[in-house]
Amino acid sequence: SQKIEQNSEALNIQEGKTATLTCNYTNYSPAYLQWYRQDPGRGPVFLLLIRENEKEKRKERLKVTFDTTLKQSLFHITASQPADSATYLCALVVTGGFKTIFGAGTRLFVKA
Amino acid sequence: NAGVTQTPKFQVLKTGQSMTLQCAQDMNHNSMYWYRQDPGMGLRLIYYSASEGTTDKGEVPNGYNVSRLNKREFSLRLESAAPSQTSVYFCASSPGLDSAFFGQGTRLTVV
Repeated sequence: SQKIEQNSEALNIQEGKTATLTCNYTNYSPAYLQWYRQDPGRGPVFLLLIRENEKEKRKERLKVTFDTTLKQSLFHITASQPADSATYLCALVVTGGFKTIFGAGTRLFVKA
Repeated sequence: NAGVTQTPKFQVLKTGQSMTLQCAQDMNHNSMYWYRQDPGMGLRLIYYSASEGTTDKGEVPNGYNVSRLNKREFSLRLESAAPSQTSVYFCASSPGLDSAFFGQGTRLTVV
């Protein structure tokens, strides 16, 4: 069956450290992989897109990698801040399809 | 620039009642979507509209209907609400496949 897995356990890190979140998928052929941030009581906010032929993408303190052989994406926040505390969702846009498939998200807590 | 606006923000329904969730976007996007989000689960696609005048079923369409009223508006209707439809509903729009913009959500409780 097709699955997207994100670590359901919350990630707790100290301010200033690098947070690394994982997104694994099976039985998909994604054209794109997206990362979103979701704060409590609010809708997801788009952060970054990486395409299947890209290995790495950066935006300010954010870095995303995409390994189609391992079927995995890693999302890094460097020099993390308490304001980065939120739930982070990964989403796949499947090749040839019109639909975006979301993972359940990983909750990140950054402690001052 | 409002982005994606959903109404209402909160709603309590009795089993069997009907209601329509409204969604409007001001970004001139062709594509619009309705998702539901339940605890511990990813956003699940209910219906989508690739362009004005077209709608298609997503992963969990049973119990729902949609209308793409015009390019701006995409509504979701529950004809006979059931407790299993208690969820947070999000509308989204996108310019293509590379990103999506979400509304603030509607928290629906069916008792």
